[in-house]
Parts: sequence; structure tokens; C-alpha cells
Amino acid sequence: DIQMTQSPSSLSASIGDRVTISCRASQDISNYLVWYQQKPGKVPKLLIYAASTLQSGVPSRFSGSGSGTDFTLTISSLLPEDVATYYCQKYDSAPHTFGPGTKVDIK
Amino acid sequence: QVQLVESGGGVVQPGRPLRLSCAASGFTFNNYAMDWVRQAPGKGLEWVAVTSYEGGNKYYADSVKGRFTISRDNFKNMLYLEMDSLRVEDTAVYYCARAVPRGGLDIWGQGTTVIVSS
Repeated sequence: DIQMTQSPSSLSASIGDRVTISCRASQDISNYLVWYQQKPGKVPKLLIYAASTLQSGVPSRFSGSGSGTDFTLTISSLLPEDVATYYCQKYDSAPHTFGPGTKVDIK
Repeated sequence: QVQLVESGGGVVQPGRPLRLSCAASGFTFNNYAMDWVRQAPGKGLEWVAVTSYEGGNKYYADSVKGRFTISRDNFKNMLYLEMDSLRVEDTAVYYCARAVPRGGLDIWGQGTTVIVSS
């Protein structure tokens, strides 16, 4: 099975900083990659699908890129409401494995 | 409004079975594949299973294969997860979620908690 990794596992950044989270698949998954945001105590929320397409209603400061095995989620200017854990997930074929998550907080 | 509501969680002894349910409303249920995802206390998300829109194709995580069964009733707009031979490590919040063709899970329930303990 394809394994998903994320880096870093956690990060602290200042308000207004550009934040980048990486996700890597152990094999080529084309662009079948989605990103979720899970705020503390809340249900996960779909942010980006097909590696780079913003889900409706998601702020434009979020963006995704990549294909094949290497993917990136970028927050262009960090806001307090972005404190959350971010997960990538492969969606090419089952199993639809999640990455281990990246916890983002404010410095 | 579009909604998923899970039920059936609780405390169960190791080795015992449990059945989770997920009631869907506000959308055409039989147009969508559906997933179960779980999250152990303080841990990340773990994909559990998926069923195709008509229920003919089902896939499972290795950790639950042979013990869990996903099913759906498109007449009742219900999704199920039959869990057998439960283990302590199955303790988690279990979410049902709607899968969209472009990829990803766009609607999630609030989750139901399963605690496996003697």
C-alpha cells in the first residue's frame, strides 16, 4: 500500500507569515490528493481537492500544489483562525490513506 | 440541509460486536460513495472503509479487514459499519463522510464514540 508522510509534524508561525506544509506519497498518485483542516474539537473540513482546487467557501489564502508524489499546502498569510491540524489524504484508489497531520499554531 | 448523523457508539468489551449507523439527509444519498473514518483519542485521522454509491464495491483498511463490514441501505438513506471482534485499539470517534467524485470527503457527521474496554 502507498504510504503518506507529512512534514513538519508541527510548526509555530507568526500572524501574517507564509506557512508551507509538505505531503509525500510513497508512489505516484497523480493529482489524487486532498487536504483537510481540523480545528481543535471540531470535525475535519475539506480545503483542497485534486491537489490544487480550492473547495467552495475556503479562503483564497489557502492553496495547494504538486503532483505525482510531492504536494504542498500553503497558507499565504496566517490568521489566528488557521490554528488547526492539517491532513493530506490520497484518493487515487483504496486504501484512502491519510497523512499523519501537521499541527499549526501561533508563535 | 445536508447532514450526516452517526449513532450506535458506546462502551463494549474486547471481542464483542457493535453496529454503527449513519443517517443521511438533504442530498441524494444513492448518488454518492460513503466512507467511514476514525480518530483515536489524541491521534490523527485513520481511513476505515468506503462503499460505492450502489453498495457493490467495498474496500477496507488493513487494520479492520475481516472484522468490519460497511453497508448501506439506499432506500432508508442509511450507512452502516458492522464491527466484530473489537479490540482496545479500535477505540476512537467514528465519522461517516460523503465522498465526492473529484476526490475527498466534503460532508462529515459529528462522530460517534466507541470505547473498547474490559
